[in-house]
Amino acid sequence: KAGVTQTPRYLIKTRGQQVTLSCSPISGHRSVSWYQQTPGQGLQFLFEYFSETQRNKGNFPGRFSGRQFSNSRSEMNVSTLELGDSALYLCASSQRDEGRTEAFFGQGTRLTVV
Amino acid sequence: GESVGLHLPTLSVQEGDNSIINCAYSNSASDYFIWYKQESGKGPQFIIDIRSNMDKRQGQRVTVLLNKTVKHLSLQIAATQPGDSAVYFCAEIVDNYGQNFVFGPGTRLSVLP
Repeated sequence: KAGVTQTPRYLIKTRGQQVTLSCSPISGHRSVSWYQQTPGQGLQFLFEYFSETQRNKGNFPGRFSGRQFSNSRSEMNVSTLELGDSALYLCASSQRDEGRTEAFFGQGTRLTVV
Repeated sequence: GESVGLHLPTLSVQEGDNSIINCAYSNSASDYFIWYKQESGKGPQFIIDIRSNMDKRQGQRVTVLLNKTVKHLSLQIAATQPGDSAVYFCAEIVDNYGQNFVFGPGTRLSVLP
C-alpha cells in the first residue's frame, strides 16, 4: 500500500511569488491535513480537509490556502511568498472521518524562499 | 491556552539503556495523544498512541504513560538502539472530530555506542 506522497520534494521560490504543493493521501483515506515545520516554531497545523471541505484551520494568514479534490488528493497554495515561509510542509492523511486516529505523514516538501 | 511542551530538548543515552522522553500538555480537554518519531529528511512516523481513558499503553519496545492529574505524557523506549536516534514529538488532538494535532517542540534522542 503506497504511503502519503508529496510533490515536489524541494522547491525554491522568490519573494512575492506563489507556490502550489501537492499531496496524495493513502488510498481510502479521506482526511488530509497540512502542517508547517520550522526550526523556530516546530510543527504547526495549517488546515484539514475532509470530503473536499475544509474542516479545520490553524492560525495562518489568508495567503495560505488549500483545497481537496474528489479523489482526496489535496493541494495547498501560498501566495505572495515571504522569506519566513521557508519551511518543510508536511501532509498527513488518516482513514477515519473522525479524529483520534493516527495520521500518516508524507516526507514533506522543502520550500525555500529567497 | 493550548500547548504541548517537552521538558528536555536533547537526550543522550547509551545503546542498550532505556530512554524516557517527557511531555507536558495544558489542555485538560484533550483526550487523544500520539508520539511521533522523525528521522532526518523524513516525515514524522507514528510510534504509539493513547486515549485519555487509559494510563498506560505498550507497544514493541515502547510504552506510553499518561498522567492526567498533572497533564504529563511520557514515552519509554526499552533497550535503546542506534536506529532510535531521531527527534520525538508528542501531539494531542484538541478538536472534537478533526485531525488538528498540537505538537510539542520535540526532543532529540541521541544513542551513544
